[in-house]
Amino acid sequence: QQQVKQSPQSLIVQKGGISIINCAYENTAFDYFPWYQQFPGKGPALLIAIRPDVSEKKEGRFTISFNKSAKQFSLHIMDSQPGDSATYFCAASMRSNTGKLIFGQGTTLQVKP
Amino acid sequence: DAGITQSPRHKVTETGTPVTLRCHQTENHRYMYWYRQDPGHGLRLIHYSYGVKDTDKGEVSDGYSVSRSKTEDFLLTLESATSSQTSVYFCAISFSGGRTDTQYFGPGTRLTVL
Repeated sequence: QQQVKQSPQSLIVQKGGISIINCAYENTAFDYFPWYQQFPGKGPALLIAIRPDVSEKKEGRFTISFNKSAKQFSLHIMDSQPGDSATYFCAASMRSNTGKLIFGQGTTLQVKP
Repeated sequence: DAGITQSPRHKVTETGTPVTLRCHQTENHRYMYWYRQDPGHGLRLIHYSYGVKDTDKGEVSDGYSVSRSKTEDFLLTLESATSSQTSVYFCAISFSGGRTDTQYFGPGTRLTVL
């Protein structure tokens, strides 16, 4: 049972375009939603995160949009660059979970020059 | 990789053999986690530790055991490896285990069980 569902599985975007990755969750006890970025042969690394008391968080070219009522959140990468080519994971955790993360299935992004 | 090393980085073994993976950190973080990464499943938590000798199960703990005798080392053991345990294993650490604490991941161990 996948508690966090991520789509699409793979994504190809032209350089300069906008990459959008979506995640949906069922458990309303989740209250923290990080995104991790993983390059080939490396471990994931935290990219950006959001709490459900805000609808949007922006850091540079990366933005998380959060829709609490729909139980959905998404990652937008503006002006996508070839260096953004990586696998992206959304995740969720809850207050009582001692930091345990529930990850989505992952999205492999390829940005073409 | 935030002062985290994993060993070995690659291992090929046969079904039924025991395997131990090691995670070593130099950050003195309290919490340590073992995940496995498989296509179509993302990362799934196997076990975690919240201190020396303090461990608990994650969502896919069957067939795995862990031990933590020192703050810096967290061992994952497959008592009798099966082909379904072929995966990439990642260790992660966090300072206090709070839900907003950043988890820092190691470089991973690719395990193949024939």
